[in-house]
Amino acid sequence: LAKTTQPISMDSYEGQEVNITCSHNNIATNDYITWYQQFPSQGPRFIIQGYKTKVTNEVASLFIPADRKSSTLSLPRVSLSDTAVYYCLVGDMRRALTFGSGTRLQVQP
Amino acid sequence: EPEVTQTPSHQVTQMGQEVILRCVPISNHLYFYWYRQILGQKVEFLVSFYNNEISEKSEIFDDQFSVERPDGSNFTLKIRSTKLEDSAMYFCASGSQATNEKLFFGSGTQLSVL
Repeated sequence: LAKTTQPISMDSYEGQEVNITCSHNNIATNDYITWYQQFPSQGPRFIIQGYKTKVTNEVASLFIPADRKSSTLSLPRVSLSDTAVYYCLVGDMRRALTFGSGTRLQVQP
Repeated sequence: EPEVTQTPSHQVTQMGQEVILRCVPISNHLYFYWYRQILGQKVEFLVSFYNNEISEKSEIFDDQFSVERPDGSNFTLKIRSTKLEDSAMYFCASGSQATNEKLFFGSGTQLSVL
């Protein structure tokens, strides 16, 4: 199983861009990289997923270098409501999809 | 958007009692999971289930735990004899190969063992 490493916490201000990097050195060929957001007392919520290169959706971008040993979640212009824990998961659905410790993002006004 | 539904939202039980946590996954999903989260800690994988059998399970998922898909729509987690340390939020999730590794999570059942 690919183990993931993320910063424990990050601080930002409203309107700034936030980049959270996840290391996954032993990612397997079939593994996808998926990011989730979790608010207190709620289930994790899908943000974005990618396999390689760059993916963008309405809420975030995901940058994956060619070696796929890391990935960076980019949140443009964060607001107070983006304060949450962000997890990257690496794996495929037929195996256990294991959460790492996550990154606690605190957005200040 | 379709949802994963979990019941009950809160469950209080006495140590040693059996509990069953219930989940209704999204209807066309084929992969099912249980996770738990102790207050203030990370989300921990318990078990994955596919094709009516367990695919993988963690060390936490010992003989006290079992899962079942009794009727093609529900997915249950049973804890046979609860311990104080089983107190946690339990999340059910489901997914399909059509969505790759995107999992849809329920809102959880908060289990309190007294």
